[in-house]
Amino acid sequence: AQTVTQSQPEMSVQEAETVTLSCTYDTSESDYYLFWYKQPPSRQMILVIRQEAYKQQNATENRFSVNFQKAAKSFSLKISDSQLGDAAMYFCAYYRGFGNEKLTFGTGTRLTIIP
Amino acid sequence: DTAVSQTPKYLVTQMGNDKSIKCEQNLGHDTMYWYKQDSKKFLKIMFSYNNKELIINETVPNRFSPKSPDKAHLNLHINSLELGDSAVYFCASTERLTGKETQYFGPGTRLLVL
Repeated sequence: AQTVTQSQPEMSVQEAETVTLSCTYDTSESDYYLFWYKQPPSRQMILVIRQEAYKQQNATENRFSVNFQKAAKSFSLKISDSQLGDAAMYFCAYYRGFGNEKLTFGTGTRLTIIP
Repeated sequence: DTAVSQTPKYLVTQMGNDKSIKCEQNLGHDTMYWYKQDSKKFLKIMFSYNNKELIINETVPNRFSPKSPDKAHLNLHINSLELGDSAVYFCASTERLTGKETQYFGPGTRLLVL
């Protein structure tokens, strides 16, 4: 079964600095998708970034980028120029697709932004 | 313009009662989901429907019964509520087998069983 591990329950970063959140996963598949979702206090689940496993290029979305290491099964999220609005729980998630439809989530990392 | 909506947003009820949560998506997706987020924030799949057909049922007690009247709606009915059912329930949707499979979530329904 697929598992997703986020080893950092909490992280903090100074406003305008850069922070990296870690995620590792376990799978025997070669094709899959990886996601980072953000959950602010409003509890809405917001998609931050998505990576297809077949793509070697790391995904980027404005200040958010990933470091996808397929062989190491690692998928970290880098947030540059951290802003107060980035404070939230961040969840890493694995999705096999192709008939196995569920998202498997990590346990989350709570990110605090220090003004 | 809401993509995935859920009603109600909050639900407070007594043990033993029966309650329903409704979900609607206007994204034209063919697959919908129910996830449960417990008090420790852990998110886990409960059910998935594709074009009104159940495709995932993750060992959820049979007090929980999903119903999909059409592919834009997925409701969750819970019988004989227990204290342990207190959680946030999220609905999500996606378009399956397209290579663009991203799940979009509703705002969540916070259920409190007293």
